[in-house]
Amino acid sequence: DTGVSQDPRHKITKRGQNVTFRCDPISEHNRLYWYRQTLGQGPEFLTYFQNEAQLEKSRLLSDRFSAERPKGSFSTLEIQRTEQGDSAMYLCASSLESTGEDGYTFGSGTRLTVV
Amino acid sequence: GNSVTQMEGPVTLSEEAFLTINCTYTATGYPSLFWYVQYPGEGLQLLLKATKADDKGSNKGFEATYRKETTSFHLEKGSVQVSDSAVYFCALRTDSSYKLIFGSGTRLLVRP
Repeated sequence: DTGVSQDPRHKITKRGQNVTFRCDPISEHNRLYWYRQTLGQGPEFLTYFQNEAQLEKSRLLSDRFSAERPKGSFSTLEIQRTEQGDSAMYLCASSLESTGEDGYTFGSGTRLTVV
Repeated sequence: GNSVTQMEGPVTLSEEAFLTINCTYTATGYPSLFWYVQYPGEGLQLLLKATKADDKGSNKGFEATYRKETTSFHLEKGSVQVSDSAVYFCALRTDSSYKLIFGSGTRLLVRP
């Protein structure tokens, strides 16, 4: 197992374009989380899946953001009509329900730059 | 609401110096507390945790004690190394949610 993988590592896009990020969690982990981290700040929670069900969404997740986990394995995060304020590091993490107290395993993130 | 406050960085120390990074929290109920570390170019890694009052989490020479009376979870290490240079995040998870709430992070620079 190679941990949590995120793709791409970096994405530069023009304002108004749509972007999609992918996260592959640790294979046996049934929980998957998306966070956003801006420069000099700690990660902020965006959304959470248990298997394929999206159970919680932050108010930070505007209508332009959508996340899916169609088969309870990998997940995608799409941002439509990107804005400069969307520039950030997008982090994915996963955990196994029975070991939730051990915290999460994070991926290395996708850095989005909107120009 | 629930929140975590960390001391601002950067914290610059010489090798073998003693480290303290302060962390205080506001939360309802009895949260679990965590320290994560982020090395340059890498993802966040769990450093240590504590799940109830007076618990001490420890790992790689780092320690933190869950102090409910002062709502604190300060990170300490007796002798830092250059390889400890990283950004350290304090975080909590309440017992009613699965999400982590992070502080803003403290950058540690250790000079040889």
